[in-house]
Amino acid sequence: GAVVSQHPSWVICKSGTSVKIECRSLDFQATTMFWYRQFPKQSLMLMATSNEGSKATYEQGVEKDKFLINHASLTLSTLTVTSAHPEDSSFYICSARDSTDTQYFGPGTRLTVL
Amino acid sequence: AQSVAQPEDQVNVAEGNPLTVKCTYSVSGNPYLFWYVQYPNRGLQFLLKYITGDNLVKGSYGFEAEFNKSQTSFHLKKPSALVSDSALYFCAVRDSYNFNKFYFGSGTKLNVKP
Repeated sequence: GAVVSQHPSWVICKSGTSVKIECRSLDFQATTMFWYRQFPKQSLMLMATSNEGSKATYEQGVEKDKFLINHASLTLSTLTVTSAHPEDSSFYICSARDSTDTQYFGPGTRLTVL
Repeated sequence: AQSVAQPEDQVNVAEGNPLTVKCTYSVSGNPYLFWYVQYPNRGLQFLLKYITGDNLVKGSYGFEAEFNKSQTSFHLKKPSALVSDSALYFCAVRDSYNFNKFYFGSGTKLNVKP
């Protein structure tokens, strides 16, 4: 199946700093990527849809100024958590949609904000 | 509105026995249904999907799922469970009108005991 990578796999940062997470589709081009957040023992919550060459579409309740998304190429989307706070600590997962409308997920990034 | 329900938080089965993880769905159009598996601290891995065609869909790692339109169900099955199948399983449905949006169930933890 298709492969999606995320970097870093985990990150610890101080409160008030910004953290960038990269999501790459390794063997296919993805015009659309997605960013999810998963809390412990819960399902995935869609945060935003990242569209190559245009602005991201954010789900209701997700602050676009806090979670900056850039989809500069057909294989790369980035999520930047700005001015991170402890409540932003979570597991962030990206996915990329292929031409058959199947979403392939990255391995996730564990963010811990101290 | 689109939604999926996984009525069981946890399923316990002995190794070698058949397993079933239940999923029911609610969609306004034709259902596009998916199963994903998540291992601890990892992203989701695609198992199988139903879009059209045969009601019995075969996927990765020996898993299969049966689409039942009258019961609006898409249960995941495997004839003989392995200890390594122990993981968190998510059912998902794609939005009928917004192909970018997936709705995930709450997840079912599968425990396969030796």
